[in-house]
Amino acid sequence: DVKVTQSSRYLVKRTGEKVFLECVQDMDHENMFWYRQDPGLGLRLIYFSYDVKMKEKGDIPEGYSVSREKKERFSLILESASTNQTSMYLCASSGAGLGSPLHFGNGTRLTVT
Amino acid sequence: EDKVVQSPLSLVVHEGDTVTLNCSYEVTNFRSLLWYKQEKKAPTFLFMLTSSGIEKKSGRLSSILDKKELFSILNITATQTGDSAIYLCAQVGSGGSNYKLTFGKGTLLTVNP
Repeated sequence: DVKVTQSSRYLVKRTGEKVFLECVQDMDHENMFWYRQDPGLGLRLIYFSYDVKMKEKGDIPEGYSVSREKKERFSLILESASTNQTSMYLCASSGAGLGSPLHFGNGTRLTVT
Repeated sequence: EDKVVQSPLSLVVHEGDTVTLNCSYEVTNFRSLLWYKQEKKAPTFLFMLTSSGIEKKSGRLSSILDKKELFSILNITATQTGDSAIYLCAQVGSGGSNYKLTFGKGTLLTVNP
């Protein structure tokens, strides 16, 4: 079974802090994704990566950056956390085949106070 | 911009009922449509649909795609309380150097005993 592991389940940070959310997958998947999920808005794509050191903006990249130095790890960075970034963050990975289903991590619930 | 619309947004039924969840999409370069079930944690993959008219089935769940009318349905027969979840559909289109997934907002299904 594919395993996607997010380093923290719950995180509380203060406004202005730099926040790192880490995600590791064990299936040698080429593609990795970061989504945020908010009530009434569904899942929205922040960034995705299709290869090491490669990244593309999703629908809502503002206020975020990402890093993919190794194939198995995809990090989401909040340079200066703000209260409107309080959300559930979901990491996912998929194989290279077009339309391959995503496998999600269990999510990190981030609260910015 | 691609758009995925799910209906209804929420649904309450009794155990044993049959439910039909709807997903319509507007895409320019359609590749596949995916259904996920999300309980308390990460979404888990249910079905991937690429061809019109071919039903995918897994136990009491089934799904079908209509590429002419641009919609898909997810059927659940003889519902159980364990079917209570958010059901997400996502359309896979082409975009950038890989593919892009666009999620609907989900249907919250509550099955009462």
